[in-house]
Amino acid sequence: DADVTQTPRNRITKTGKRIMLECSQTKGHDRMYWYRQDPGLGLRLIYYSFDVKDINKGEISDGYSVSRQAQAKFSLSLESAIPNQTALYFCATSDWTGNEQFFGPGTRLTVL
Amino acid sequence: AQSVTQPDIHITVSEGASLELRCNYSYGATPYLFWYVQSPGQGLQLLLKYFSGDTLVQGIKGFEAEFKRSQSSFNLRKPSVHWSDAAEYFCAVGANSNSGYALNFGKGTSLLVTP
Repeated sequence: DADVTQTPRNRITKTGKRIMLECSQTKGHDRMYWYRQDPGLGLRLIYYSFDVKDINKGEISDGYSVSRQAQAKFSLSLESAIPNQTALYFCATSDWTGNEQFFGPGTRLTVL
Repeated sequence: AQSVTQPDIHITVSEGASLELRCNYSYGATPYLFWYVQSPGQGLQLLLKYFSGDTLVQGIKGFEAEFKRSQSSFNLRKPSVHWSDAAEYFCAVGANSNSGYALNFGKGTSLLVTP
């Protein structure tokens, strides 16, 4: 079984809809991250969490919110989706050293 | 602020030829440096990393990278490319700060391998 899972893997939605992307991990890591990937732009950090009570904004947090429901779960929400949020979203985890981040398979989100 | 530059957006090499993917970084102290690979439709997999010590690091799948402080570079190399190496490659720099640690990625280099 995969250590970092993301659901759904693909989602098509309409402008203005609320969307939640979920991430679960079985690695026992404290740190979790959400990134967004756009063609030609690489990965950009949206939010990160170092434990259940510690959540921080990343480079591009506007229009997004997160929830760390448990050590193993970190959800990303788009309260009112817009077309320029169409992208590939990755969740990642790391231990307290941050020496390596382990990535989930990604969620491809399309906002029409 | 730290930043990562991958000058080559696309690279095409013949199978069996050598490969070098360039990465330059900007960071005030010694950074933590990473190379990740993303195969089509897949997540990112760590190829190798550099924190300190020997500046030539070996990774998985026959890849290696050399940290050159004087050039602020961390180029990825492979002596003989296989068709399965076709993928997107990302260089990343990470640093601990008072509030924690996160990666800053380059924009990626897409590798095409021809027969």
